[in-house]
Amino acid sequence: NAGVTQTPKFRILKIGQSMTLQCTQDMNHNYMYWYRQDPGMGLKLIYYSVGAGITDKGEVPNGYNVSRSTTEDFPLRLELAAPSQTSVYFCASSTSLQGHWQPQHFGDGTRLSIL
Amino acid sequence: QKEVEQNSGPLSVPEGAIASLNCTYSDRGSQSFFWYRQYSGKSPELIMSIYSNGDKEDGRFTAQLNKASQYVSLLIRDSQPSDSATYLCAVQASGGSYIPTFGRGTSLIVHP
Repeated sequence: NAGVTQTPKFRILKIGQSMTLQCTQDMNHNYMYWYRQDPGMGLKLIYYSVGAGITDKGEVPNGYNVSRSTTEDFPLRLELAAPSQTSVYFCASSTSLQGHWQPQHFGDGTRLSIL
Repeated sequence: QKEVEQNSGPLSVPEGAIASLNCTYSDRGSQSFFWYRQYSGKSPELIMSIYSNGDKEDGRFTAQLNKASQYVSLLIRDSQPSDSATYLCAVQASGGSYIPTFGRGTSLIVHP
């Protein structure tokens, strides 16, 4: 059982380039999330999805886009990369059981540097 | 604005001692409470979930929840150097609250 898988693990981009961070989960979770975490700081929510075809903005969505065409996949797109987007990006998924939210499962993260 | 507050630390304890980590939250509708451990350079991993008032024990870890006072704590008994990490508290309301609120974490250092 792989859980949440993120690719790539590391990436260096030049200013103005674009890229897609991949995230896939095999737990059939409806809810998926993208966070960024800057050094020494907490998690900040970028986008989330409550199911295939449904996405919504989080706290820091500017400069990013997402799509959710399947339950398993939730890619994050960076357009026109900027140095401020240098961060560690985590994808997470969760579900609800009998009215109680279950904990989030996190991928290993993507370490992104914009130079 | 839903808030989760944690003392950023670092909390330094000697090996073998009890480490006590605290978290307060603002949303009285919160129903699900989680403690995650995050090692430097790694992703958060679940330590404990708690949903009801009182204590929940799992090995060396005990989570304590008091909804009336709006706090949740994590006790780590017989602390080991391998417990040195940042501990994140997360809180989530029931129903259509799809987004958990995370605290910024408490850094724990267990010294030999």
